[in-house]
Amino acid sequence: GQNIDQPTEMTATEGAIVQINCTYQTSGFNGLFWYQQHAGEAPTFLSYNVLDGLEEKGRFSSFLSRSKGYSYLLLKELQMKDSASYLCAAQAGAGSYQLTFGKGTKLSVIP
Amino acid sequence: EAQVTQNPRYLITVTGKKLTVTCSQNMNHEYMSWYRQDPGLGLRQIYYSMNVEVTDKGDVPEGYKVSRKEKRNFPLILESPSPNQTSLYFCASRNTGGGYEKLFFGSGTQLSVL
Repeated sequence: GQNIDQPTEMTATEGAIVQINCTYQTSGFNGLFWYQQHAGEAPTFLSYNVLDGLEEKGRFSSFLSRSKGYSYLLLKELQMKDSASYLCAAQAGAGSYQLTFGKGTKLSVIP
Repeated sequence: EAQVTQNPRYLITVTGKKLTVTCSQNMNHEYMSWYRQDPGLGLRQIYYSMNVEVTDKGDVPEGYKVSRKEKRNFPLILESPSPNQTSLYFCASRNTGGGYEKLFFGSGTQLSVL
């Protein structure tokens, strides 16, 4: 089975940097996704990591360590519009397209 | 525009009255899935389909049915809704070209069962 853990809530200040952690335990693993979800809206894709290391995409970066079962999402230069829930999702082994989602981290950006 | 379309956006019904939530995608995706999202529980998979006429149970399939008669459509059927099925539902689809293929979500259906 799959188990995904991430903090329930975080608060950060506008303009700052925040790191949202995610740990996973899976019976098979073929990549880690991050999604952003504003309240009442659909999740939207942010990033995908399958190899160890950091993937940078503008203000957002995502890191993966397969040996530690650990990922983080780094948000720089926080803006008020970044207030949302951030969902970590682990993909099962090769040939499977199943994603198991964490419960999400609700990020509040304050002035 | 590439999208997953769900209808209705909001639905209020009563216990026991059969309902269907429609889902359609225009991206020719093989894989489609239904999730429910509840506070404190996150997204949980109800059913998924790898292709036409192929459906499988997810983590919380009880009380739900699905069908995949055409590639683009994947309706969710509640034969006899109960109050514990009050939730926010999302349909999603993705290509199966590789593990990197992202999941596209519909805009959601907020269901209330009284």
